[in-house]
Amino acid sequence: AQRVTQPEKLLSVFKGAPVELKCNYSYSGSPELFWYVQYSRQRLQLLLRHISRESIKGFTADLNKGETSFHLKKPFAQEEDSAMYYCALRHSGNTGKLIFGQGTTLQVKP
Amino acid sequence: NAGVMQNPRHLVRRRGQEARLRCSPMKGHSHVYWYRQLPEEGLKFMVYLQKENIIDESGMPKERFSAEFPKEGPSILRIQQVVRGDSAAYFCASSTRDRENTGELFFGEGSRLTVL
Repeated sequence: AQRVTQPEKLLSVFKGAPVELKCNYSYSGSPELFWYVQYSRQRLQLLLRHISRESIKGFTADLNKGETSFHLKKPFAQEEDSAMYYCALRHSGNTGKLIFGQGTTLQVKP
Repeated sequence: NAGVMQNPRHLVRRRGQEARLRCSPMKGHSHVYWYRQLPEEGLKFMVYLQKENIIDESGMPKERFSAEFPKEGPSILRIQQVVRGDSAAYFCASSTRDRENTGELFFGEGSRLTVL
């Protein structure tokens, strides 16, 4: 079964500290993975996708097929990064539906 | 482009009543997805629709829940005879046609259903 696991419900760091939000997936095939973010009082929005290999707002995520992971990283956290982060896997049936992890709340303290 | 519009934002129902949640996708989007977020849980897929067709309803409860996306008008998620366990935030998302679909979903602000 296709599944996305985010083991941490809450991650709390100080401003300037490195951040790593963990995501592991279960999938047979070539996965398409995404990170979505929901800032306070805003709607859920795409942060980045693995096929783009881009860095958005200082965040990067590398797909590691050996470890079936897609961890989200940022070297120096900012207070404005505080939000809820969801890792998502695109379903193999090509319906476009996304399977989401449980989400991790990132709290960046001043 | 106003984005995905959901209404109502908040809905209170008593047990046994019906709840209707509406979703207007972004302009030019023909795919609609409904997700449910229970308290302290992540987003769970419910149903995927295109105009006048249900494509994937594998996440829909077998009873009391139904969804439609008519040729004209918004998509509607209908919950009959609501129970307290239906209390949740219901999110709608839309995306473009298959050949343009990069996998990105555009989400609405959600409808929060409270069952008394």
